[in-house]
Amino acid sequence: AQTVTQSQPEMSVQEAETVTLSCTYDTSESDYYLFWYKQPPSRQMILVIRQEAYKQQNATENRFSVNFQKAAKSFSLKISDSQLGDAAMYFCAYRSEGGGSNYKLTFGKGTLLTVNP
Amino acid sequence: EPEVTQTPSHQVTQMGQEVILRCVPISNHLYFYWYRQILGQKVEFLVSFYNNEISEKSEIFDDQFSVERPDGSNFTLKIRSTKLEDSAMYFCASSQDRDYEQYFGPGTRLTVT
Repeated sequence: AQTVTQSQPEMSVQEAETVTLSCTYDTSESDYYLFWYKQPPSRQMILVIRQEAYKQQNATENRFSVNFQKAAKSFSLKISDSQLGDAAMYFCAYRSEGGGSNYKLTFGKGTLLTVNP
Repeated sequence: EPEVTQTPSHQVTQMGQEVILRCVPISNHLYFYWYRQILGQKVEFLVSFYNNEISEKSEIFDDQFSVERPDGSNFTLKIRSTKLEDSAMYFCASSQDRDYEQYFGPGTRLTVT
């Protein structure tokens, strides 16, 4: 079974600075997807970024980028130019590539990000 | 932008009672999911649903749980006889197809007393 570990329960960053959230995972599969979800105080889970394991290029979405290290099974999220609205709980998640019906997401415990003005 | 909605936002019930949590997935989505998060713990998969049947369920999803799509818009999770340990945040999600991203609702906080 796959596991996802987020070793930082809480992080803080100054507004306009850069912060990196860590995520490691364990799997025996070669094809899979990795995601970062954001959960602000409103509780809505919002997809931030997605990475396909077969792609060597790291995904980027505006101020959000990932550092995907497949051999090390590491998937960190970098937030550049942090904004007050980035304050939220961030979840790392894993999903198998497919085959059969296994499309469930496996989540880490989350990292609570605080952005200081 | 279309979004997944869930009602109620908070449900308080007594142990042994039945509860139904409701979700309205995004309209053109075909795959539906329920997850839960016990306070301080990970978000855990409960069940996935496609073409009016369960496609996968976790070991948590025992006979006390059931899901239904009673009409073209709603997707419900029923817990027949709630236990204290069912207290959690329950998230509904939907995806356009199995390879597409899952979009989550805001969750229903279930408190069993």
